[in-house]
Amino acid sequence: QSQLVQSEPEVKQPGASVKVSCKASGYTFIAYGVTWVRQAPGQGLEWMGRISAFSSGTTYAQKFHDRVTMTRDSSTSTAYMELRSLRFDDTALYYCARENGNDGFDIWGQGTMVTVS
Amino acid sequence: DIQMTQSPSSLSASVGDRVTITCRASQSTGNYLNWYQQKAGTAPKLLIYATSTLQSGVPSRFSGSGSGTDFTLTISSLQPADFATYYCQQSYSSPWTFGQGTKVEI
Repeated sequence: QSQLVQSEPEVKQPGASVKVSCKASGYTFIAYGVTWVRQAPGQGLEWMGRISAFSSGTTYAQKFHDRVTMTRDSSTSTAYMELRSLRFDDTALYYCARENGNDGFDIWGQGTMVTVS
Repeated sequence: DIQMTQSPSSLSASVGDRVTITCRASQSTGNYLNWYQQKAGTAPKLLIYATSTLQSGVPSRFSGSGSGTDFTLTISSLQPADFATYYCQQSYSSPWTFGQGTKVEI
């Protein structure tokens, strides 16, 4: 079945960078976009940005635009999200999800915990 | 950016109750409004997209309605599996934005 599998948890120091991967399987990777959402402990969902798996075009939330880069490797059906200049308040669970056009995010990864400490 | 505001932030209900959650957008989102359910320790799950279309496999006790700026998620008869946090999300205009969530508790 269609699924997204994310990389393992990370612990980083302030100022460092982290790169989270999201490997797709069970569907045609380039037919859908991939969106990234984060959730700080005990908080709600925050949209970070998205990448077209077909064109690799990106759109970032203004809050992250100077610190985030989203890429994809169509040969391995994997999307990546790199966040730089990490701060303590970047500690969160980072999710990737498949964008089904305007019809929501229909498949989610299991989440990757990033701890800045 | 389109701001999404849910109400209430939390509610207490019993099995069998009818539950209604509202979501208001700061400007029209057409019918591009989606609902997610998140249980503790798990990723969100898409319940409803395009205001009222049930995602495959979602029980028919869930329904969505609304248009423009005002939307509603209704659970017709609350079941034990439905105790969770619910989020609305607009997919009309980038950046996509979520409501702050509504926690449904026993």
